[in-house]
Amino acid sequence: EAGVAQSPRYKIIEKRQSVAFWCNPISGHATLYWYQQILGQGPKLLIQFQNNGVVDDSQLPKDRFSAERLKGVDSTLKIQPAKLEDSAVYLCASSPTRTSQNLDEQYFGPGTRLTVT
Amino acid sequence: GENVEQHPSTLSVQEGDSAVIKCTYSDSASNYFPWYKQELGKRPQLIIDIRSNVGEKKDQRIAVTLNKTAKHFSLHITETQPEDSAVYFCAASISYSSASKIIFGSGTRLSIRP
Repeated sequence: EAGVAQSPRYKIIEKRQSVAFWCNPISGHATLYWYQQILGQGPKLLIQFQNNGVVDDSQLPKDRFSAERLKGVDSTLKIQPAKLEDSAVYLCASSPTRTSQNLDEQYFGPGTRLTVT
Repeated sequence: GENVEQHPSTLSVQEGDSAVIKCTYSDSASNYFPWYKQELGKRPQLIIDIRSNVGEKKDQRIAVTLNKTAKHFSLHITETQPEDSAVYFCAASISYSSASKIIFGSGTRLSIRP
């Protein structure tokens, strides 16, 4: 089965510019997650979608970050305007509809490394 | 909210020896505890997980233990090999009816000395 796809893999922008990341989850996976991983830290959940609805966006800086999953499949995460502290790897993950067999396992994409200068 | 603490932040062991990484969680409703391995520049990969109704789980050289009363869980790697060198993340997850929320620890950088 194909894994979680993300693009671009790398992005360098100047502060105050805008940037968008794209994620295509594993086919059939209902839940999609966006994480921010700052160098030397664990992934921090930004937003979680169940199909096309938001389950949790409590840690998303909504003044500058936005995300959508309009058709319940692929998703876009946007930062506008970017700050220096947004430099991180942005990981997308997906998981199937939770059952007693799949143990909530999340499958991660390769990530997008963002550098804000 | 849920918080997961992980120790140590770095760990160096001789090849063939054992490595132990410990985590504590704050929310007693957490019911799923996965461990991820992340090699440099790569994505996190699930290596083992345990549910709250189980105290211990083993998969070849890797084992996890869970103490629900103390709210801590540990990863044990025996007979360590060079390819075990990576950053390891513990996580605690609260499962709802159709989704789950996962909080990661800060990671342990494991180095295996030849």
